[in-house]
Amino acid sequence: AQSVTQLDSHVSVSEGTPVLLRCNYSSSYSPSLFWYVQHPNKGLQLLLKYTSAATLVKGINGFEAEFKKSETSFHLTKPSAHMSDAAEYFCVLNNAGNMLTFGGGTRLMVKP
Amino acid sequence: DADVTQTPRNRITKTGKRIMLECSQTKGHDRMYWYRQDPGLGLRLIYYSFDVKDINKGEISDGYSVSRQAQAKFSLSLESAIPNQTALYFCATSAGRSGQETQYFGPGTRLLVL
Repeated sequence: AQSVTQLDSHVSVSEGTPVLLRCNYSSSYSPSLFWYVQHPNKGLQLLLKYTSAATLVKGINGFEAEFKKSETSFHLTKPSAHMSDAAEYFCVLNNAGNMLTFGGGTRLMVKP
Repeated sequence: DADVTQTPRNRITKTGKRIMLECSQTKGHDRMYWYRQDPGLGLRLIYYSFDVKDINKGEISDGYSVSRQAQAKFSLSLESAIPNQTALYFCATSAGRSGQETQYFGPGTRLLVL
């Protein structure tokens, strides 16, 4: 069985400081992993995805994530937070057949 | 115009009522999905359809039904709504079957069952 655990339900950072959103996964197969962002009253937008190519994946808006098989992790980072980054972020696993398993979400708050 | 649209965006209904949520897409994708989002639980899959003649139950299909009227349209029905179906509902689409395709989400329908 597959699962995704987002280790923090809420993360608060100051504008201009680094962002780290943590994600661990469990999968019987080689997974594809995604990060989606959800702004208030909006749908989900893809930030980046890992599909067994390069382990360091760059996404939109300066975000990146590193796939670490030995640690079963796929943490999302950004060097410098912006106010517009405040949103909820979902780590998502795709095992096979395009069936997605979502983490519980991490709400990112950015303080001025 | 948005590639994946959902109607209505907000709906309030009463226990026992039948309601339908609609999803349309202009991306030309074969695969469509319905999810519900509850706080702290992420999104959970209700039903999915790989083409017009292929409908499958997801993780939490009890109390729901779907209809794939055309490649571009996928509707979700609550036959007799109950309060614990209060949630945010998302439709999504994807192409292909490699497991690496991105799913594209609609803006969501916020449903309140009184």
